[in-house]
Amino acid sequence: KQEVTQIPAALSVPEGENLVLNCSFTDSAIYNLQWFRQDPGKGLTSLLLIQSSQREQTSGRLNASLDKSSGRSTLYIAASQPGDSATYLCAVPLGNAGNMLTFGGGTRLMVKP
Amino acid sequence: DVKVTQSSRYLVKRTGEKVFLECVQDMDHENMFWYRQDPGLGLRLIYFSYDVKMKEKGDIPEGYSVSREKKERFSLILESASTNQTSMYLCASKRAGVGWAEAFFGQGTRLTVV
Repeated sequence: KQEVTQIPAALSVPEGENLVLNCSFTDSAIYNLQWFRQDPGKGLTSLLLIQSSQREQTSGRLNASLDKSSGRSTLYIAASQPGDSATYLCAVPLGNAGNMLTFGGGTRLMVKP
Repeated sequence: DVKVTQSSRYLVKRTGEKVFLECVQDMDHENMFWYRQDPGLGLRLIYFSYDVKMKEKGDIPEGYSVSREKKERFSLILESASTNQTSMYLCASKRAGVGWAEAFFGQGTRLTVV
């Protein structure tokens, strides 16, 4: 059974720092990996999707990498801002149909002004 | 332009009550999902439905049932609420055959069972 783990569970940084969020998964036979953002009291918003054939995906100040062989993904946030404060979750689909996602526990990020 | 609406943001129920959580989407999506979210555990899938009257169990279906009588509405039912079902419940929907980058989530229902 696929297990997804995120470290750290919580992170507090001053504004302007570059930071890395980690995600690991036990079954490397994944088709893609997705990073989501969740603001307090709200649903999830998709940030980045990396296909299994890709090594990286970038969107603005966000960069996600994927290393299937080691079962790891990282989300890099450059020049962090208070507006980046949220919970970040990674998830992998079960099978190719991808109807079910397995989520990590999330990293709660606080960026202090 | 809310696309996935959950009927309640906060709900307090007593142990043993039958509880209905409603989710409505206006995008004609075939797939709908119910997750629960607990601190440190991420989201865990309870049930999903890939079409009207169709349902599949997720990872943690025990103590829950679902109903999908109309395409736009997916209901989660707690037959006899217990304190260990105190949690945040999230509904999601997406079109069949597309990835989760095109999925939409509701704002969640925080259920407290006392």
